Amino acid sequence: RKEVEQDPGPFNVPEGATVAFNCTYSNSASQSFFWYRQDCRKEPKLLMSVYSSGNEDGRFTAQLNRASQYISLLIRDSKLSDSATYLCVVNILHGSSNTGKLIFGQGTTLQVKP
Amino acid sequence: DTAVSQTPKYLVTQMGNDKSIKCEQNLGHDTMYWYKQDSKKFLKIMFSYNNKELIINETVPNRFSPKSPDKAHLNLHINSLELGDSAVYFCASSQDEQRTLSDTQYFGPGTRLTVL
Repeated sequence: RKEVEQDPGPFNVPEGATVAFNCTYSNSASQSFFWYRQDCRKEPKLLMSVYSSGNEDGRFTAQLNRASQYISLLIRDSKLSDSATYLCVVNILHGSSNTGKLIFGQGTTLQVKP
Repeated sequence: DTAVSQTPKYLVTQMGNDKSIKCEQNLGHDTMYWYKQDSKKFLKIMFSYNNKELIINETVPNRFSPKSPDKAHLNLHINSLELGDSAVYFCASSQDEQRTLSDTQYFGPGTRLTVL
């Protein structure tokens, strides 16, 4: 079983649509959670951190359910520029110095159409 | 004024060759990383250095040897390249050892390695 699982998609949606991505993680020791965005042939960039109580940043809302080991990302009013791959990422602390290690999901591809 | 830079951007080479990829960050971060993204798009950590000291070493063949001459640089040397080494290699840096939610990793543009 993969440590971080996402539906790879692609999700094809019209402009203005609301779309939700889900992610599950297997390691209950995961400490912190993020969504990264990766454009085609580019590097990943942090989209938003995911707080325990959920958080919103403009059109983007992230939720965390630790009991179910589940993370979600909601995008409202989709724009053409939202087309990208969205990577679910968990951070696991390990070793005597509690060094963090990011574990990436495979990513979910979003294509927003005019 | 690129934050994390890598060279070269593209690398095409024959099996069996030895090659190096260089990475530099000008963010003043203490921790640097190498990741490999394969053809299925999985991004996996290979190594992490904090202040020139190796802190994460995943199950990577010992043909891969990272070197950190100072905390702003982390280079990756690969010996005896194999077909399966073809991938995109990303360098990244963070202020600290990614212990907290607020510690963000910044990625370089990637080096696309093709082994023929």
